[in-house]
Amino acid sequence: AQSVTQPDARVTVSEGASLQLRCKYSSSGTPYLFWYVQYPRQGLQLLLKYYSGDPVVQGVNGFEAEFSKSNSSFHLRKASVHWSDSAVYFCVLSSTGGNNKLTFGQGTVLSVIP
Amino acid sequence: DMKVTQMPRYLIKRMGENVLLECGQDMSHETMYWYRQDPGLGLQLIYISYDVDSNSEGDIPKGYRVSRKKREHFSLILDSAKTNQTSVYFCASSLGGGLYAEQFFGPGTRLTVL
Repeated sequence: AQSVTQPDARVTVSEGASLQLRCKYSSSGTPYLFWYVQYPRQGLQLLLKYYSGDPVVQGVNGFEAEFSKSNSSFHLRKASVHWSDSAVYFCVLSSTGGNNKLTFGQGTVLSVIP
Repeated sequence: DMKVTQMPRYLIKRMGENVLLECGQDMSHETMYWYRQDPGLGLQLIYISYDVDSNSEGDIPKGYRVSRKKREHFSLILDSAKTNQTSVYFCASSLGGGLYAEQFFGPGTRLTVL
């Protein structure tokens, strides 16, 4: 069995501030982790992904995430947010123990205020 | 232009009516998916299709069926819709169905069952 928990349903930050969105996962096999973003009235788009190697992965639009096996975490970060980053962010898990299916976190709604 | 399209975007039906949601992709992806998104639950996999006439149940298949007669089209059918099937439905496709295959999502169909 596998699961993903995003403990923060909503996060509000000021424009220009730094950001961290938290993600914890549970997996019986080797985890493959993704962050997807959903802008209003749109489908999900891939931000970044981690398979192996360097635990810090870079994504689009200045986002990065850090994988920690010891903490079972895959937190998303950005040094300076822009109002256009306001969206819903999903942490997603695929693993060798998950029958090739994706498991989605509940999502974190990010609001960037001017 | 890599794209996943969904029709219709909005649909209102009465309980007991049949519903057909259509999805198309222009990337020749073998694997296609249907998800539903409910508040606070992330995305839940309804069905996955590995190619024409090769479909498998996802995590919540009850009350749904699918059809894939061409690689580029994947339909979701609700026979006798129920009010608890009110949701936003997303179609996605990927090149292969491997553990780390990026999924491309359509814009979603918002279905209301009265």
